[in-house]
Amino acid sequence: GDSVTQMEGPVTLSEEAFLTINCTYTATGYPSLFWYVQYPGEGLQLLLKATKADDKGSNKGFEATYRKETTSFHLEKGSVQVSDSAVYFCALSPPLAGANSKLTFGKGITLSVRP
Amino acid sequence: DTEVTQTPKHLVMGMTNKKSLKCEQHMGHRAMYWYKQKAKKPPELMFVYSYEKLSINESVPSRFSPECPNSSLLNLHLHALQPEDSALYLCASSQVTSGGFGEQFFGPGTRLTVL
Repeated sequence: GDSVTQMEGPVTLSEEAFLTINCTYTATGYPSLFWYVQYPGEGLQLLLKATKADDKGSNKGFEATYRKETTSFHLEKGSVQVSDSAVYFCALSPPLAGANSKLTFGKGITLSVRP
Repeated sequence: DTEVTQTPKHLVMGMTNKKSLKCEQHMGHRAMYWYKQKAKKPPELMFVYSYEKLSINESVPSRFSPECPNSSLLNLHLHALQPEDSALYLCASSQVTSGGFGEQFFGPGTRLTVL
């Protein structure tokens, strides 16, 4: 079945540091890929998405590129802020999703940014 | 309106109580979801409604009873819960297209404590 693997955490960075969070997936065909962020005490927010190979999703300074050849969707940000401290989930949904489609989540990774 | 709302924000209940969680969206989405999330874990899918009909039940115990009264509302009725049911309950919604379900938008969640 489909699966998503995220790098082990937690991750602690200083403000303005470069961020990379690795995500790889296993799925048949071309799934849609997502990054969700969950701030403390809140629900999940869609951060960015990509629906086909070589698409780049971007939002709030975060970027991720859909790499079919490496089955990856790594999240990057050039300069993190304290306000980026949160849990980040990589997720996929199957292509041509039918009535039984569902999101498959990675385990999530906690990012802490110190001033 | 791009928001999914959930009430109540917090709920404490005894094992013999009956309570309900409510979720509402006005984005015209025709798929709605209930998830359960334990601390530091990804959300686990419980139920999916598509066009107000239950399309996925992830073998959830019968003490959880979902209801979709109309296209904007989703309820989760709770009865005779166990302490291990304490968790964050998330509602989400998405479009339904010819290609399947679109990206999901999540509410802020209800933090449930079962005593």
